[in-house]
Amino acid sequence: DAGVTQSPTHLIKTRGQQVTLRCSPKSGHDTVSWYQQALGQGPQFIFQYYEEEERQRGNFPDRFSGHQFPNYSSELNVNALLLGDSALYLCASSLEVAEQGSSYEQYFGPGTRLTVT
Amino acid sequence: KNQVEQSPQSLIILEGKNCTLQCNYTVSPFSNLRWYKQDTGRGPVSLTIMTFSENTKSNGRYTATLDADTKQSSLHITASQLSDSASYICVVSAGNTGGFKTIFGAGTRLFVKA
Repeated sequence: DAGVTQSPTHLIKTRGQQVTLRCSPKSGHDTVSWYQQALGQGPQFIFQYYEEEERQRGNFPDRFSGHQFPNYSSELNVNALLLGDSALYLCASSLEVAEQGSSYEQYFGPGTRLTVT
Repeated sequence: KNQVEQSPQSLIILEGKNCTLQCNYTVSPFSNLRWYKQDTGRGPVSLTIMTFSENTKSNGRYTATLDADTKQSSLHITASQLSDSASYICVVSAGNTGGFKTIFGAGTRLFVKA
């Protein structure tokens, strides 16, 4: 049973460029959440996708957008990259919350390290 | 306001020693509390998950406790190993079947020295 996978592992971009990160959820999971983690900080919630729609969103600008596909995989797009966007981007998958109740748990991928120069 | 605070911010211990990490939360309505281990540059890996009715959960040398009355949790690591050097993140889920929020602590950075 494959866990959460992310690609690419590392990425170097220049300011102003655009980037797309990819995530495949754990088998059987239908909800994908994206997080940004700066060095030495805890993960910050970007948004969550369920049934191909953005369901929740954190305090991130519109430059951050996403998509979920019918097979539950997801993409994170960041436009007009800034130096401050350099971070580890984590994807986490879970089962739709109504089915989980108090057992709600997320499984994280290994992350994509984005460096903006 | 939903918050999760962890202490200490960082900790240095000698290999073989025990240590305890703390997590205080102000989250409502509480659903569950999870402890994750995160190696540098890697994704967090789940250690334990506890619901309201559970007050202790073990995973090998890791034992988590939960006091839902005082809204405190601890993670106790026994007989530490060099490979325990990592960040330990406390995560609390708030909500119910209508929707959940996940609140992350900033983590405790543990260094285990030989």
